[in-house]
Amino acid sequence: NAGVTQTPKFQVLKTGQSMTLQCAQDMNHEYMSWYRQDPGMGLRLIHYSVGAGITDQGEVPNGYNVSRSTTEDFPLRLLSAAPSQTSVYFCASHSVNTEAFFGQGTRLTVV
Amino acid sequence: AQTVTQSQPEMSVQEAETVTLSCTYDTSESDYYLFWYKQPPSRQMILVIRQEAYKQQNATENRFSVNFQKAAKSFSLKISDSQLGDAAMYFCAYRDMNYGGSQGNLIFGKGTKLSVKP
Repeated sequence: NAGVTQTPKFQVLKTGQSMTLQCAQDMNHEYMSWYRQDPGMGLRLIHYSVGAGITDQGEVPNGYNVSRSTTEDFPLRLLSAAPSQTSVYFCASHSVNTEAFFGQGTRLTVV
Repeated sequence: AQTVTQSQPEMSVQEAETVTLSCTYDTSESDYYLFWYKQPPSRQMILVIRQEAYKQQNATENRFSVNFQKAAKSFSLKISDSQLGDAAMYFCAYRDMNYGGSQGNLIFGKGTKLSVKP
C-alpha cells in the first residue's frame, strides 16, 4: 500500500536550473495538490488538480508548472530556480470523503 | 475566503499531562471537514483526527480528542497523557465538504510547535 510517493527527498539546485518533483498516488484519488512549507507560514497551496487534464493555480503559483496527464501522476516543475523557492514541498491527494494523504516531502535548497 | 488561525506558535507540556491546542476558522459554509495533522521531525504529515461539521459529537482517537464548537468556529485539540513521541508541529486544516474546483482545497493554519518535557 504505497499511498503517495514523492521524489526526491532532498535536492540542491543552482539559481536558474530547472527540475521536476515527482508525485504519484495509487489510491485513485481525483484530487491532487502541491504545497510549500516555509517557517511560520504553514502550508501554502501552489497548484492543484481535480482530475486528469485539469489543473489550476493556488495561492503561490509563480515559478511553478504542473500537468496531470493521468489520475496517478502530478509532477511539479520549477522552470528557473530562485533562492526564494528554497522550501519544503509536499504533494497530497484526496478523494471526496477522505482526508488528504501526503508524500514524504522534498527539501529543496536553491543556491 | 476561508481562513484558519492557530494563535499559539509554541506550546510546552510535561510528560503524562494534558495540553490543548487552539484553532479557529472562518467560513460561510455549513458543511465542511476539519483536521488536525501532526508533523514530527521526520517531516511526514500524519492525520491525527478529523471532524465532519454535521456531526455534533466530538471526534476522539485514543489520547486525542477535539472540542468542536461550530457556532464559535473553534476546533481545539486535546492531548491527554502526553508522551515524548507527541512532540511535533501540529497543523489545523479546513476543507469544504461541497466538492468542486478550489472548494476541495485544504486550508492550513500556521502550526503550533509542541514540546514535551520528560
